[in-house]
Amino acid sequence: QVQLQQWGAGLLKPSETLSLTCAVYGGSFSDYYWSWIRQPPGKGLEWIGEINNSGSTNFSPSLKSRVSISVDTSQKQFTLNLSSVTAADTAVYYCATASDTTIVNWGQGILVTVSS
Amino acid sequence: QSALTQPRSVSGSPGQSVTISCTGTSSDVGGYNYVSWYQQHPAKAPKLMIYDVNKRPSGVPDRFSGSKSGNTASLTISGLQAEDEADYFCCSYAGDYTLFVFGTGTKVTVL
Repeated sequence: QVQLQQWGAGLLKPSETLSLTCAVYGGSFSDYYWSWIRQPPGKGLEWIGEINNSGSTNFSPSLKSRVSISVDTSQKQFTLNLSSVTAADTAVYYCATASDTTIVNWGQGILVTVSS
Repeated sequence: QSALTQPRSVSGSPGQSVTISCTGTSSDVGGYNYVSWYQQHPAKAPKLMIYDVNKRPSGVPDRFSGSKSGNTASLTISGLQAEDEADYFCCSYAGDYTLFVFGTGTKVTVL
């Protein structure tokens, strides 16, 4: 059973860079895509992007210019960076595993607030 | 890519059945047989309940079933139980650019 544990700064100022890391426990690290998803308060879920074991990435077109995702296979961790944040980036951020067509396992989520 | 449309809430008594709809477009729900459903209890991580429209992961009770017709997918919970009270949301694969699009979420209340 795959479990995901995520951490990172929960309070940012506008223009700063959001950085969250997710550690993977259990399962085979190479079997999945490693994804990030977010949910602004009172709004729906939004897929941010993913990376696979070989470093190949896919990003949401609306966030592509500000997003990067990296993976450390030795540590079984992957990291989301989102630059130039604004209040609109305030959300609960989830890390997750995915197959080609399904998001399978989710982390517990972390609230990131952007406020001056 | 717009969010998939779900009813805000549904309710039922223990033992009854409830069905949650998830309406998209031919670019997502209607275009692929890759609709999944998730259950989320308060302050908990979402849990995969249905994938590929109608497949259940190991450990998910067979009270949960999925289907799809055209651009609308559905999740049915039969024999409703108290522990089924939670938020449910759908997700569809949407192709090469925005890979996944999510539903707006439905709160299931067990009366």
